[in-house]
Amino acid sequence: QQQVKQSPQSLIVQKGGIPIINCAYENTAFDYFPWYQQFPGKGPALLIAIRPDVSEKKEGRFTISFNKSAKQFSLHIMDSQPGDSATYFCAASMGSNYQLIWGAGTKLIIKP
Amino acid sequence: DGGITQSPKYLFRKEGQNVTLSCEQNLNHDAMYWYRQDPGQGLRLIYYSQIVNDFQKGDIAEGYSVSREKKESFPLTVTSAQKNPTAFYLCASSSSQSVYNEQFFGPGTRLTVL
Repeated sequence: QQQVKQSPQSLIVQKGGIPIINCAYENTAFDYFPWYQQFPGKGPALLIAIRPDVSEKKEGRFTISFNKSAKQFSLHIMDSQPGDSATYFCAASMGSNYQLIWGAGTKLIIKP
Repeated sequence: DGGITQSPKYLFRKEGQNVTLSCEQNLNHDAMYWYRQDPGQGLRLIYYSQIVNDFQKGDIAEGYSVSREKKESFPLTVTSAQKNPTAFYLCASSSSQSVYNEQFFGPGTRLTVL
């Protein structure tokens, strides 16, 4: 019940395309769902996050879609660029619990 | 500049040796974490600490030890008992004042066992 399942493991998209990364969870007590972006040899950095009281959140070219009934959330990158090539992690946490439960990551490559 | 620093960036160890990885933060965060990342894999929690002088084991604590004597410091020791220590180690911190657990990461230490 503590798992967050992320797919796909890797993804190749042409520049300008819209990569979509999906995550699913079981624990309905989760109330915070962040996405982190990691470039090779660097630590992850928070990209965007959502709470379950909204179905969508946009920040620039990045959008999270959240489906509470399906217990799924996804990251969309509009007008993708080669500079977006990175590994993306979804995660989840509940309330004041300090731990994040991490997805396995998606390696995204945007081809020029 | 506020942030998290990890040192060294690269570390080489001979089998049978203990090594200590440094993590310092000046964000005034209460909680600190150590993760291990293997190539092509996600983050696995080694240890975390919510307050000074207290810490808890994560999912893969065997062969590792930590201390939290100061709020800003959370060093990780990789002991000789860790059978496969070659990996990328990430330190993170978060604030108890944030409504949700946003974690801030350091640049990582790449440990290689020779």
